[in-house]
Amino acid sequence: QKEVEQDPGPLSVPEGAIVSLNCTYSNSAFQYFMWYRQYSRKGPELLMYTYSSGNKEDGRFTAQVDKSSKYISLFIRDSQPSDSATYLCAMSADTGGFKTIFGAGTRLFVKA
Amino acid sequence: EPEVTQTPSHQVTQMGQEVILRCVPISNHLYFYWYRQILGQKVEFLVSFYNNEISEKSEIFDDQFSVERPDGSNFTLKIRSTKLEDSAMYFCASSYVEGSYEQYFGPGTRLTVT
Repeated sequence: QKEVEQDPGPLSVPEGAIVSLNCTYSNSAFQYFMWYRQYSRKGPELLMYTYSSGNKEDGRFTAQVDKSSKYISLFIRDSQPSDSATYLCAMSADTGGFKTIFGAGTRLFVKA
Repeated sequence: EPEVTQTPSHQVTQMGQEVILRCVPISNHLYFYWYRQILGQKVEFLVSFYNNEISEKSEIFDDQFSVERPDGSNFTLKIRSTKLEDSAMYFCASSYVEGSYEQYFGPGTRLTVT
């Protein structure tokens, strides 16, 4: 079983839709959960991070972590064509060196 | 807005040659990282570095890899004897001490080994 699993998509939605992106993981030691956005041929850009379980909201973005199910989600409200990118989940245990494990990324297309 | 920069943007090298990839992290950041992304695959952690020492490294980071902070601004990744399978995008990232999960990535160096 992979440490982090993420459906690569692609996911295509109309402008204004609510987007739901998800990852599952197997390592119960993970405590830090991040979502990155990556445009083509660019470096990942941190969108949101959460420590342990719970929800976090930032503008149109909401991150959820359910440690009991080993499942994390990112919701994008009122999606825009500019949200079209690859979304990477990432997570890390509290090991000092902060080795971060990434999911494969979900490619999102928001159609105008 | 401060950003991580990387040079060169694209490096072509022959198998067996040594390459050095360079990064300038954000100036007040103290933790530094290298990742790689083989085309079409996921981003993979290589190494983290703090206080002039490796903090953690992955199984990928074997003896052919080394990192160095030669001065107060640069952070380098050296690959001693490149292999075809080292062809990838290499990303440098940095973070401030107390928010290591808040890593800021550079634009990457595309390494092509022929």
